[in-house]
Amino acid sequence: DAMVIQNPRYQVTQFGKPVTLSCSQTLNHNVMYWYQQKSSQAPKLLFHYYDKDFNNEADTPDNFQSRRPNTSFCFLDIRSPGLGDAAMYLCATSRDRGQAEQYFGPGTRLTVT
Amino acid sequence: GQSLEQPSEVTAVEGAIVQINCTYQTSGFYGLSWYQQHDGGAPTFLSYNALDGLEETGRFSSFLSRSDSYGYLLLQELQMKDSASYFCAVLHTNAGKSTFGDGTTLTVKP
Repeated sequence: DAMVIQNPRYQVTQFGKPVTLSCSQTLNHNVMYWYQQKSSQAPKLLFHYYDKDFNNEADTPDNFQSRRPNTSFCFLDIRSPGLGDAAMYLCATSRDRGQAEQYFGPGTRLTVT
Repeated sequence: GQSLEQPSEVTAVEGAIVQINCTYQTSGFYGLSWYQQHDGGAPTFLSYNALDGLEETGRFSSFLSRSDSYGYLLLQELQMKDSASYFCAVLHTNAGKSTFGDGTTLTVKP
């Protein structure tokens, strides 16, 4: 019973070539998050949605954008990937704002060549 | 600013008890969570403390002292499968988001 699904699991893109990562959830949770995690580092929050209310972190580069067309789906768009954007991208959900427990998807490992 | 501090590495033997500490400095603190992440895997939620005191879930317990801005995760009867990274994370008041610490890599040896 997959709960938070991320596709693809592995993505290779070229320097400067736009790429979209997708996330879907079957939990009907209100909040969805996108994190970037580099090797041996903490997950770094890029943005989160509370329902359709978009919240961008102050230090998230403009190169990163997100869309949440409905409750179940959320997308991360990287407009012009640089070598420094190679990382694991994690999608997570929580039932509601103020709920500590987050459910993470398996992640998409992005390689930039 | 916001900061969380936890040891970068901890090593222990099977069957032992280990404590992973976390200190934090943040505004709008609501509670402290703990997550486990195996190499190559996704973080999984372990526990959450909003109030002072100890929360026990099987072999894992978590403690919080709000006055000391301090918490810990206690792992008992360590097993090899407990080798993983452990992250503390502060849940922020009304913001609906958490900030993660840099993680502690736990190595369990036979």
